Amino acid sequence: DAMVIQNPRYQVTQFGKPVTLSCSQTLNHNVMYWYQQKSSQAPKLLFHYYDKDFNNEADTPDNFQSRRPNTSFCFLDIRSPGLGDAAMYLCATGGGLGEKLFFGSGTQLSVL
Amino acid sequence: QKEVEQNSGPLSVPEGAIASLNCTYSDRVSQSFFWYRQYSGKSPELIMSIYSNGDKEDGRFTAQLNKASQYVSLLIRDSQPSDSATYLCAAPYSSASKIIFGSGTRLSIRP
Repeated sequence: DAMVIQNPRYQVTQFGKPVTLSCSQTLNHNVMYWYQQKSSQAPKLLFHYYDKDFNNEADTPDNFQSRRPNTSFCFLDIRSPGLGDAAMYLCATGGGLGEKLFFGSGTQLSVL
Repeated sequence: QKEVEQNSGPLSVPEGAIASLNCTYSDRVSQSFFWYRQYSGKSPELIMSIYSNGDKEDGRFTAQLNKASQYVSLLIRDSQPSDSATYLCAAPYSSASKIIFGSGTRLSIRP
């Protein structure tokens, strides 16, 4: 009964090769978030959507983009991954702004 | 000042004792606060949420909120080795438009 599903669980890409991470939810939540988490650090917010309204954090690199084609799905695109982009990428949903988050299992990205 | 601040630890507590985790936040308009537990290599899971001043208890966990001091804490009673994890404090920021996490406190329960 997974409610927030991230694929793949592990992703290996080459330096500079575009990669897409996916997230789907069965909760019908309005809000979806993408966080980047590096080892021993806090999850860092990259983007969030409230319905179709897209919010980009000021310090999110241009190399990162996101799409939300419908309520259930959200994608994170990394156009030209660098070594510093190796991290766990967490997708989360929320029933409304400021409400508790439900996380997927995360995608661990490695860049070679 | 960071939006949400925590002592990174590590915090070492003997099995059966009370573990106390603390968090401060900067946005005075925040109305909801969350504690997440994260095991190494896993995603965060919600332990407690608290919205009102005072204490909220759920099993061995008690969350405490003091909005005047912009302070929220988590107490874990009868600590078990399975409680060893990183505990993340989170709160909405900037008119609840986003949830921001603290850097987490690493808790170790020693047998």
